[in-house]
Amino acid sequence: GIQVEQSPPDLILQEGANSTLRCNFSDSVNNLQWFHQNPWGQLINLFYIPSGTKQNGRLSATTVATERYSLLYISSSQTTDSGVYFCAVVRWGGKLIFGQGTELSVKP
Amino acid sequence: DTGVSQDPRHKITKRGQNVTFRCDPISEHNRLYWYRQTLGQGPEFLTYFQNEAQLEKSRLLSDRFSAERPKGSFSTLEIQRTEQGDSAMYLCASSLGVGAATEAFFGQGTRLTVV
Repeated sequence: GIQVEQSPPDLILQEGANSTLRCNFSDSVNNLQWFHQNPWGQLINLFYIPSGTKQNGRLSATTVATERYSLLYISSSQTTDSGVYFCAVVRWGGKLIFGQGTELSVKP
Repeated sequence: DTGVSQDPRHKITKRGQNVTFRCDPISEHNRLYWYRQTLGQGPEFLTYFQNEAQLEKSRLLSDRFSAERPKGSFSTLEIQRTEQGDSAMYLCASSLGVGAATEAFFGQGTRLTVV
């Protein structure tokens, strides 16, 4: 089946720093989603992005489907950005295949 | 619309007992998905429904697991004869669409602990 790999697995930042999270996938996909998992376990939707670039405040995402990767940019990080970030590729029927996540810790 | 709702939020059960979880999707969403997440891992797909039809089941869904969506609205996930390895977060998601890609939205999850 399709493989989804995220890097880095862990990231520690000082508040105010910028970061880039990467998601590689091994096969063509219908779409891709980025999530932030909050401390209580809920997955919060960040982006639904099959290709191109989208921006939402301090966050933006770029997917290059032909090269099978997506990037999530976080600018001017805040402590509330801490948590686990997941990318998930969307397969037929809407089934999601998740990566292992990037655990981000933003220090004050 | 209050989003996807799951109940209970937490469940502690003794090994060998049966448990049932409920998921209420976003109204008008025709697709409903169940995932399982263990500590330090990404969520893994278990099964999904389009309306009341169960269209796909993962190999992770052993014969002790059963899911239903009887009227195409809420869904239940039952685990019979629970084992310690069933301890995990069970996540439900819903989406609207036909065919390939549709954006999924998740509930808060049910955290199961089997003691």
